[in-house]
Amino acid sequence: NAGVTQTPKFQVLKTGQSMTLQCAQDMNHNSMYWYRQDPGMGLRLIYYSASEGTTDKGEVPNGYNVSRLNKREFSLRLESAAPSQTSVYFCASQGVNNQPQHFGDGTRLSIL
Amino acid sequence: RKEVEQDPGPFNVPEGATVAFNCTYSNSASQSFFWYRQDCRKEPKLLMSVYSSGNEDGRFTAQLNRASQYISLLIRDSKLSDSATYLCAPWSTNAGKSTFGDGTTLTVKP
Repeated sequence: NAGVTQTPKFQVLKTGQSMTLQCAQDMNHNSMYWYRQDPGMGLRLIYYSASEGTTDKGEVPNGYNVSRLNKREFSLRLESAAPSQTSVYFCASQGVNNQPQHFGDGTRLSIL
Repeated sequence: RKEVEQDPGPFNVPEGATVAFNCTYSNSASQSFFWYRQDCRKEPKLLMSVYSSGNEDGRFTAQLNRASQYISLLIRDSKLSDSATYLCAPWSTNAGKSTFGDGTTLTVKP
């Protein structure tokens, strides 16, 4: 029972490089979310997708793009990585409205 | 003012103590409430869901006060393993999603 799977688990990039963080869920959930969490801080919502084919900005969307490829997959892309984007990135999914979110175990991203 | 506010702590308590955290929320359309537990550098994990006035699960009790717009989490007989950060996340109909507080850190000491 995989739940929410994020890849990669760790990544080091140089400033200006691009990369895509992958997230997939096998719970047939409608909604998916991307958060970032900086050391000692709370979760900040980057983007979310309430259903396949829709995406919406969260609290801190600048510097990121997302794609809801299908119901299972929601990817997060950094087009030109900056040191300020060094963080732990969590993907989450949610079934019907009013239900809790389920989190992946995170991607630890360092940008030099 | 943040939409969801939690006392960051840290709360340092001895084993066996009872400790309570509060979470206040500003969105009056919040319908459901979730408490998550997050261990250092790990993903948040659901601790408890609250859909009515409260919920109880073993040593953990959550109580909701809709009039004053806060929800509390009570932990009885604290264990060393309860040391973690506890996140409050109300879900609201108008936002269509949960909003997370920054969390309250608990350290239980021998």
